Amino acid sequence: EPEVTQTPSHQVTQMGQEVILRCVPISNHLYFYWYRQILGQKVEFLVSFYNNEISEKSEIFDDQFSVERPDGSNFTLKIRSTKLEDSAMYFCATRPGRGSYEQYFGPGTRLTVT
Amino acid sequence: RKEVEQDPGPFNVPEGATVAFNCTYSNSASQSFFWYRQDCRKEPKLLMSVYSSGNEDGRFTAQLNRASQYISLLIRDSKLSDSATYLCVVFYNQGGKLIFGQGTELSVKP
Repeated sequence: EPEVTQTPSHQVTQMGQEVILRCVPISNHLYFYWYRQILGQKVEFLVSFYNNEISEKSEIFDDQFSVERPDGSNFTLKIRSTKLEDSAMYFCATRPGRGSYEQYFGPGTRLTVT
Repeated sequence: RKEVEQDPGPFNVPEGATVAFNCTYSNSASQSFFWYRQDCRKEPKLLMSVYSSGNEDGRFTAQLNRASQYISLLIRDSKLSDSATYLCVVFYNQGGKLIFGQGTELSVKP
């Protein structure tokens, strides 16, 4: 069964450093998403991506965040200058296409900012 | 009002029990609804979609009431392996994003 994969599984970084989180979507899926979950809190939407551009982003997704799909397979989330409050699980999710609304999540990257 | 609101939980039930989770959502334009399951520190996993006519998958039954903006999940004959957090999730057409409830924790005891 096809799966979404994410790397790394755990990233520790110092405040102010840049991090890149990577996701390999399920093949033939067209819609890509990033969500985050702070420990003990609910899953929150960050950004949606379709046809090589951002469809929508939340208030959390400020200028420090960016997404891209550089090689047609990997889907990346970059945080330019990490803050302590960026510590969370970051989940990538993908959706097949129009008419199908189920999203399938990767195992997540645990980001710890010290 | 929260966009998606769930029973606070936790629910502690014995094996074999029937347990019901409730959820309300605020955006009447929401189109699709789901229940996801999340094990501790793992990713959300799709349990089932929720349709207006109600749908069943083995021991799990989901119901949707659009007029009341209410969603439910019923688990019959609970198993130890059902212990997890159950997430009520609403799909928003705008941006195609999912909005999650806080989740309800279920603990099934022997």
